[in-house]
Amino acid sequence: GENVEQHPSTLSVQEGDSAVIKCTYSDSASNYFPWYKQELGKRPQLIIDIRSNVGEKKDQRIAVTLNKTAKHFSLHITETQPEDSAVYFCAASPGGSNYKLTFGKGTLLTVNP
Amino acid sequence: DADVTQTPRNRITKTGKRIMLECSQTKGHDRMYWYRQDPGLGLQLIYYSFDVKDINKGEISDGYSVSRQAQAKFSLSLESAIPNQTALYFCATSDSMGYTQYFGPGTRLTVL
Repeated sequence: GENVEQHPSTLSVQEGDSAVIKCTYSDSASNYFPWYKQELGKRPQLIIDIRSNVGEKKDQRIAVTLNKTAKHFSLHITETQPEDSAVYFCAASPGGSNYKLTFGKGTLLTVNP
Repeated sequence: DADVTQTPRNRITKTGKRIMLECSQTKGHDRMYWYRQDPGLGLQLIYYSFDVKDINKGEISDGYSVSRQAQAKFSLSLESAIPNQTALYFCATSDSMGYTQYFGPGTRLTVL
């Protein structure tokens, strides 16, 4: 089955700096890669996703890049703010009729004011 | 997201007890999932259901069972709870395309 590795497990940045979280996956059939944000005590919520037919996707201060050849994808957050502090999870899925997500173990991002 | 609800939100129980966690959704989604979250281990899939007659084991199904009573309801049972089942449990739903998953608020379970 799919295996998703996520790094780093913790990341601390100063407000205004950029943050990058990286994930690798094992199943070459995977074609859907979402990122979820989980604030303390809250449920995970989708913040951005990318499908294998594109290499990059941006939404305001966040972006995701995908390298299918190397089987890795990354989340980039620019101009970080204290409210970006949360646990971020990457995930991968082959999609299709047997779709299910395999999650990475998460990255605790702390943005220091 | 009030469209996916879980009951109870917190539960403390004793080793050996049977416990049921319930999930309901008003999103009209066919697909429902149960995950377990432990610190540093991410979200691990316990069971998933693509429709009322379709139930599938996930990565960590041992010690758990599920029931899909209706399109909108998916319950997770621990037949005989043990302390290492202490965790945060999330229910999630997705439509038949299966992309975005919507999570419930979670149930914090403690087994003493």
